[in-house]
Amino acid sequence: GENVEQHPSTLSVQEGDSAVIKCTYSDSASNYFPWYKQELGKRPQLIIDIRSNVGEKKDQRIAVTLNKTAKHFSLHITETQPEDSAVYFCAASITSSGDKLTFGTGTRLAVRP
Amino acid sequence: GAVVSQHPSWVICKSGTSVKIECRSLDFQATTMFWYRQFPKQSLMLMATSNEGSKATYEQGVEKDKFLINHASLTLSTLTVTSAHPEDSSFYICSAELGQGEETQYFGPGTRLLVL
Repeated sequence: GENVEQHPSTLSVQEGDSAVIKCTYSDSASNYFPWYKQELGKRPQLIIDIRSNVGEKKDQRIAVTLNKTAKHFSLHITETQPEDSAVYFCAASITSSGDKLTFGTGTRLAVRP
Repeated sequence: GAVVSQHPSWVICKSGTSVKIECRSLDFQATTMFWYRQFPKQSLMLMATSNEGSKATYEQGVEKDKFLINHASLTLSTLTVTSAHPEDSSFYICSAELGQGEETQYFGPGTRLLVL
């Protein structure tokens, strides 16, 4: 089955700096890659997603890039703010095969004021 | 739109009892819902896929007789943890898809289960 690796496990940045989180996946058939933000004790919230027919997607301060050849995708957060502090999870799925999401291990992001 | 609720938000029970958790899609119909378990400081692990009107599909290593899933309507799926034990203590989260061809999953707020 699919295996998703995520790095780093923890990331601390100064407010205003950029943060980058990287994920790799194993199944070349995966074609949907969402990113979720989870605050302590709360539900995961979708912040951005990308499909395999697109190489990059941006939404204000958040962007995701996908390299299908290398089977990796990355989350980029620019101009970080303290409220960006949370755990971020990447995930991958094969939409023609039941849409099951395989999650990465998570990255705990801390933005220092 | 795409709001998913769960009930209860937290539950404490004695070892050996059964606990039922409800997952509802409030403003859409969900033919497919998913149940996840998340231990402290760990990732979300898919337990099973719940399809309305049919049997759930369980992931490898998840006991279907212990984690009973019922998806009786397009807006409700339930997870029953039978004969709960302390090792079942976890954060249980459901998610739902908007519908066919829509792969985005919207998550419920989770249910924290503590088995004494």
